[in-house]
Amino acid sequence: GENVEQHPSTLSVQEGDSAVIKCTYSDSASNYFPWYKQELGKRPQLIIDIRSNVGEKKDQRIAVTLNKTAKHFSLHITETQPEDSAVYFCAASRPLGSDKLIFGTGTRLQVFP
Amino acid sequence: GAGVSQTPSNKVTEKGKYVELRCDPISGHTALYWYRQSLGQGPEFLIYFQGTGAADDSGLPNDRFFAVRPEGSVSTLKIQRTERGDSAVYLCASSLRSGRTDTQYFGPGTRLTVL
Repeated sequence: GENVEQHPSTLSVQEGDSAVIKCTYSDSASNYFPWYKQELGKRPQLIIDIRSNVGEKKDQRIAVTLNKTAKHFSLHITETQPEDSAVYFCAASRPLGSDKLIFGTGTRLQVFP
Repeated sequence: GAGVSQTPSNKVTEKGKYVELRCDPISGHTALYWYRQSLGQGPEFLIYFQGTGAADDSGLPNDRFFAVRPEGSVSTLKIQRTERGDSAVYLCASSLRSGRTDTQYFGPGTRLTVL
């Protein structure tokens, strides 16, 4: 069935360093890959997404790369700040049908000042 | 504008009771999703509505779970004969559904605790 694996489960970095989170997906028909940030007790919020016709997308300090052949995608955060500390979820969705999101298990990012 | 809202924010109930959880999507969003998030896990898909109809209910765990969206806006997730294993945060999301995969905007969730 559909599955998204996410690594690492926890990630600690020093303020100013970069952070990378990786995901792999099983459904080769998936074509939409969003990343959500969830702070403790809050709702998931979209921070960036990528579609399968694009290999890389960047938005200020955040970038996402997609390798469709290998079925994996990654989130890159540069110049991390303490306010980046949160749980990050990757997800995948296939075209047509319900567009339901299949989520990874999350990465808890801690940025130390 | 107003985002997705959910009520109640917290619900504590006893095993065997019936509960209803409400979701108000963003105005104009035709697609509505329910997800369930257990502690330390990612959201897990339950059901999807396009307009008034449940277009995909493949994620509902069993027949104790049911959801409706009678007028194509507000949705209610209903759980009968609750069990302790139903304890989780129930998230609702909506999207514009403009013909391609659209951003899903999440509500704050309802934390359900079954004692």
